[in-house]
Amino acid sequence: NAGVTQTPKFRVLKTGQSMTLLCAQDMNHEYMYWYRQDPGMGLRLIHYSVGEGTTAKGEVPDGYNVSRLKKQNFLLGLESAAPSQTSVYFCASSYIRSPLAKNIQYFGAGTRLSVL
Amino acid sequence: GEDVEQSLFLSVREGDSSVINCTYTDSSSTYLYWYKQEPGAGLQLLTYIFSNMDMKQDQRLTVLLNKKDKHLSLRIADTQTGDSAIYFCAEHGNKLVFGAGTILRVKS
Repeated sequence: NAGVTQTPKFRVLKTGQSMTLLCAQDMNHEYMYWYRQDPGMGLRLIHYSVGEGTTAKGEVPDGYNVSRLKKQNFLLGLESAAPSQTSVYFCASSYIRSPLAKNIQYFGAGTRLSVL
Repeated sequence: GEDVEQSLFLSVREGDSSVINCTYTDSSSTYLYWYKQEPGAGLQLLTYIFSNMDMKQDQRLTVLLNKKDKHLSLRIADTQTGDSAIYFCAEHGNKLVFGAGTILRVKS
């Protein structure tokens, strides 16, 4: 049982290049999330998904796109990378029984992205 | 909007107790969480508390919640070098909001 797997673990891009980060979970969770982690700022939500075929914007969605074609996968795309997108990206998934139920998120190990 | 504040850094000696504090603004929070992040890894849930509880104990961990003051704390008894990590507080109201994290350094 792998949990949440992110690929790649590290990547260096030049400004203007594009890339896709892949997140896969094997827990049959409905909810999936993409966060970025920057020093002193904690985790900020980029986009999230409440089920296959659905996506929604989080706190900092600009410059990113996402897709959830399969329940187990959540892709994060950068169409034209900028130095401001240098960060550590985390994917998470969770099972939420109802809106007021607890939301325990399971995290991947992260992707360190540098944009030069 | 919702906000979660934590102190940036805490240093303790091995064997001492550590207390990490957190304040939040969302009075509609239903659950509050503590996550641990070890170097090079993702966040892992340590413990959580429901908003109608004052305290929760789980082995070396004690969570205290003061709902009136919107203050949450995590006490780690007999702190070990393996407890060195970043600790994140998170509150769940309309959405899950994380604090910036507290770096715990344990000196042997």
